[in-house]
Amino acid sequence: DIQMTQSPSSVSASVGDRVTITCRASQSIDNYLNWYQQKPGKAPKLLIYAASSLQRGVPSRFSGSGSGTDFTLTISSLQPEDFATYYCQQSYSYPRSFGQGTKMEIK
Amino acid sequence: EVQLVQSGAEMKKPGESLKISCKASGYTFTNDWIAWVRQMPGKGLEWMGVIFPADSDTIYSPSFQGRVTISADKSTRTAFLQWGSVKASDSAMYFCARESGHGNPWFDPWGQGTLVTVSS
Repeated sequence: DIQMTQSPSSVSASVGDRVTITCRASQSIDNYLNWYQQKPGKAPKLLIYAASSLQRGVPSRFSGSGSGTDFTLTISSLQPEDFATYYCQQSYSYPRSFGQGTKMEIK
Repeated sequence: EVQLVQSGAEMKKPGESLKISCKASGYTFTNDWIAWVRQMPGKGLEWMGVIFPADSDTIYSPSFQGRVTISADKSTRTAFLQWGSVKASDSAMYFCARESGHGNPWFDPWGQGTLVTVSS
């Protein structure tokens, strides 16, 4: 099974900051990597698919990169609505797996 | 609009059976897999398994194999997750999600979630 590890587990940042979250796979997953945002009490929402493709309707301040085992999600200028938990997920093989999550908090 | 609508919150006693549902609309139900994902209180997302409604081909996570059953009804465009005997440790939010993007898939959209509470 493929293990996904995110870092950091939490990040404290201010509105306007540039923030990067990393996700590492336990083996190569090419670009089979997706990113989701989840707000409290809500379902996750797809942000980035296939490592770097922006889902329709998602603001362009979100971007993704990486291939193989190392991936990043970057928010270029944090907005108040971006404070949430972010998860990476691999779709390279079954069982699918998620990272443990990164909680974005207001500094 | 592609949409997944899940059944309402459930309260059960240990040992009772339970079946929750996920009704799809806005796309061809038999073309895409539907996954179930668990989220325990204050914790992360755990992939439980997936079903292809066209032929009911099902793949389970080893962590959930034998504990739950995933099924689908093409006539009602509905996927199901069921337990024969729930435990307190099954208390969680359960999400369904469409796995789309053939060849390099992702989960979108998601259902709104079904909260399951198991308590004596």
